Amino acid sequence: AQKITQTQPGMFVQEKEAVTLDCTYDTSDPSYGLFWYKQPSSGEMIFLIYQGSYDQQNATEGRYSLNFQKARKSANLVISASQLGDSAMYFCAIRSTDSWGKLQFGAGTQVVVTP
Amino acid sequence: GAGVSQSPSNKVTEKGKDVELRCDPISGHTALYWYRQSLGQGLEFLIYFQGNSAPDKSGLPSDRFSAERTGGSVSTLTIQRTQQEDSAVYLCASSQPTSGASFRDEQFFGPGTRLTVL
Repeated sequence: AQKITQTQPGMFVQEKEAVTLDCTYDTSDPSYGLFWYKQPSSGEMIFLIYQGSYDQQNATEGRYSLNFQKARKSANLVISASQLGDSAMYFCAIRSTDSWGKLQFGAGTQVVVTP
Repeated sequence: GAGVSQSPSNKVTEKGKDVELRCDPISGHTALYWYRQSLGQGLEFLIYFQGNSAPDKSGLPSDRFSAERTGGSVSTLTIQRTQQEDSAVYLCASSQPTSGASFRDEQFFGPGTRLTVL
């Protein structure tokens, strides 16, 4: 069984500042992938970034980077230089070999970017 | 190209009625997933299709829920005798699995169907 925990239900961040969203996971599978998705108020799920369990380097995609600490089983998302358009719900998810490709999602963190 | 589409976008029904939700995946995507998102919650996996077969139905909450996929494309999620707790947004996603032991396959999500059971 797998589990994703996002302990921050909501966060406020000022425009142009960085924000870190916490994600911890629990899996007994040695091989897995971690994903972050963004869900704006419009409802669509937008893929942001991926980290494989055997990747040597932390993933980065533009303003998004992933602080992956395998031993601690954490995969925190860092959004640099926040923009008003970053206001959304952010979900961390895990997929492993025993999951037939399905994603197990956390409860999400609501981010509000203020001017 | 076109993304994942779902219909209807909104469905209001009375308790006890049956509903059908449709998902059109991205052309060529062999993997299809259904998820459910209740108000203020994360996404809950329902069922996974690879082609027309469903190797993982473990997330279906009861035998009132069923799904099928035909021609390796369109999928229909059916909820029989709907209950108020079935009210949620039902999301469909598709992906094209890559070769090798990779988990990287991105799932592309549709806009969802908002189901309200009165």
